[in-house]
Amino acid sequence: DGGITQSPKYLFRKEGQNVTLSCEQNLNHDAMYWYRQDPGQGLRLIYYSQIVNDFQKGDIAEGYSVSREKKESFPLTVTSAQKNPTAFYLCASSSGQGGFSTDTQYFGPGTRLTVL
Amino acid sequence: AQKVTQAQTEISVVEKEDVTLDCVYETRDTTYYLFWYKQPPSGELVFLIRRNSFDEQNEISGRYSWNFQKSTSSFNFTITASQVVDSAVYFCALRAYSGAGSYQLTFGKGTKLSVIP
Repeated sequence: DGGITQSPKYLFRKEGQNVTLSCEQNLNHDAMYWYRQDPGQGLRLIYYSQIVNDFQKGDIAEGYSVSREKKESFPLTVTSAQKNPTAFYLCASSSGQGGFSTDTQYFGPGTRLTVL
Repeated sequence: AQKVTQAQTEISVVEKEDVTLDCVYETRDTTYYLFWYKQPPSGELVFLIRRNSFDEQNEISGRYSWNFQKSTSSFNFTITASQVVDSAVYFCALRAYSGAGSYQLTFGKGTKLSVIP
């Protein structure tokens, strides 16, 4: 089945540790995105990538890092510099290169990160 | 800058009632796209509809219908004869030019719908 997978579903981190969230898609989409969702809030964009080996900061990139070495994969690292990392993280992808297209973003099931 | 406002934080209805979720948006862009997503308790966002700024025709899909009014910058979502499975958080989103060659998707804060059996 085509879709977006995120792992793990639940992740616990001790303060001061870096953690990496996985996002994989087999939809052959060019663009991929990471969002953060806090309780009672909408989604806020962390990073996005319109093409392999290129990515751009979103609205709340501080304390996060990404890589896009393969079209299918867009891992997100939450670093110790992120002051309040406990949140629900959603990965999305869309078929075009994002900038001038109407592409609909499709979402993965999410990873819930808790800092202990 | 663009903005999406979903004024209703939570709504509760009894099964089989009709319910309308409001969405008001702001953008200076003349070409933009509006979306609705459903987030069930499992957490995944499910795409429901996309509408571009040049198409003001209302759309109906089964029990779902959408009313796009450019004059009032609104894109409201109606569920007819609601069912318990409709219980979820619903997000309205706007995709418009955000500068530097970038088109971002801006989300409202969502409306939590509870359908009571």
